[in-house]
Amino acid sequence: NAGVTQTPKFQVLKTGQSMTLQCAQDMNHNSMYWYRQDPGMGLRLIYYSASEGTTDKGEVPNGYNVSRLNKREFSLRLESAAPSQTSVYFCASTLIGGSNQPQHFGDGTRLSIL
Amino acid sequence: SQQGEEDPQALSIQEGENATMNCSYKTSINNLQWYRQNSGRGLVHLILIRSNEREKHSGRLRVTLDTSKKSSSLLITASRAADTASYFCASGASGNTPLVFGKGTRLSVIA
Repeated sequence: NAGVTQTPKFQVLKTGQSMTLQCAQDMNHNSMYWYRQDPGMGLRLIYYSASEGTTDKGEVPNGYNVSRLNKREFSLRLESAAPSQTSVYFCASTLIGGSNQPQHFGDGTRLSIL
Repeated sequence: SQQGEEDPQALSIQEGENATMNCSYKTSINNLQWYRQNSGRGLVHLILIRSNEREKHSGRLRVTLDTSKKSSSLLITASRAADTASYFCASGASGNTPLVFGKGTRLSVIA
């Protein structure tokens, strides 16, 4: 009964390093999302995948890339990390796309970039 | 830009009291959702209210929606220390547009 699993839970990078954040869900959901959460800013959508094989930009996509590897997995890549990308990253999923149903969240990856 | 805005930003109450949090949004919505986030954890869905509904209950939670004022409120009755968390509203437009989350209200319930 894992739900949404994110790995790693914590990571420290140096400026310019690359990193892939992993997300997997076991609920047979079609849609998956990546958010970042910064103090006082709430959650901001980076990218989402409404269904396997599709990805779309959210509110803050610059500096990130995503891959919907299969129905279960949706990864987020930082090609050249910058201190401004220090944040907590959350992955979420829903059964179908759109906004008419609850999102299920993982417990986040806490990323620090020095 | 973010659509939902919660008020107040922070709220501190005594155990047993009621807690009310408000959310305002800017454009037409299909539904509005409330989530809770405990420290160090992901968000957990609490309740969804559709645009044609005015009030919804779930246990000690009561959510109202006023589409004419573009606002919603979350009431937690008889609060407990375990209710200490951040609470977020999220607004959903029609079609395939993703949810838009507000900045949240930090609730502290003091035993």
